[in-house]
Amino acid sequence: QQQVKQSPQSLIVQKGGIPIINCAYENTAFDYFPWYQQFPGKGPALLIAIRPDVSEKKEGRFTISFNKSAKQFSLHIMDSQPGDSATYFCAAPKPGGADGLTFGKGTHLIIQP
Amino acid sequence: NAGVMQNPRHLVRRRGQEARLRCSPMKGHSHVYWYRQLPEEGLKFMVYLQKENIIDESGMPKERFSAEFPKEGPSILRIQQVVRGDSAAYFCASSLSENIQYFGAGTRLSVL
Repeated sequence: QQQVKQSPQSLIVQKGGIPIINCAYENTAFDYFPWYQQFPGKGPALLIAIRPDVSEKKEGRFTISFNKSAKQFSLHIMDSQPGDSATYFCAAPKPGGADGLTFGKGTHLIIQP
Repeated sequence: NAGVMQNPRHLVRRRGQEARLRCSPMKGHSHVYWYRQLPEEGLKFMVYLQKENIIDESGMPKERFSAEFPKEGPSILRIQQVVRGDSAAYFCASSLSENIQYFGAGTRLSVL
């Protein structure tokens, strides 16, 4: 069973700060790692994804850093805003090349004004 | 371009009744996935389907749960003889061919 370990479980950051959320995964034959953002009562929304042939990917204020040798990847949110307050999930493909995703347990992020 | 559509958004059932959850994937998507989310937890994979085929049901409970994705119409997740422990949010996702999955808004099932 693919394990994805996500930390921290919760995080409080002042507006303008840079929250960092980390994930570690086990062996995988598939190389695709997405992050999802979920607001209360809503479905997860794809935020940004990376394939590990690159070490970093930026989309707007969101950046993924990928360390393939360490099997770790992290999400950074630049110039964080109160509207970024949500639960963030990292995910990794299931082993064996199947198309389901294994999710981390999530990080509850609060950006204080 | 409509996203993944799930209905109903909220479903209340009494113990022993059947729950039927529907999911219409994004236009052009032929891959459908169902996940379950308990409060304050992540999403747990349940089943992966393509049109008329169950590809991977390794996350489905062995009893009372079933899923289908017919040639025509939405994908259906069926839970027979519901129990209180089935209360959760059930999310459907769809993808085109790669691993990029797009999620619906979910169905929140409450079992009384």
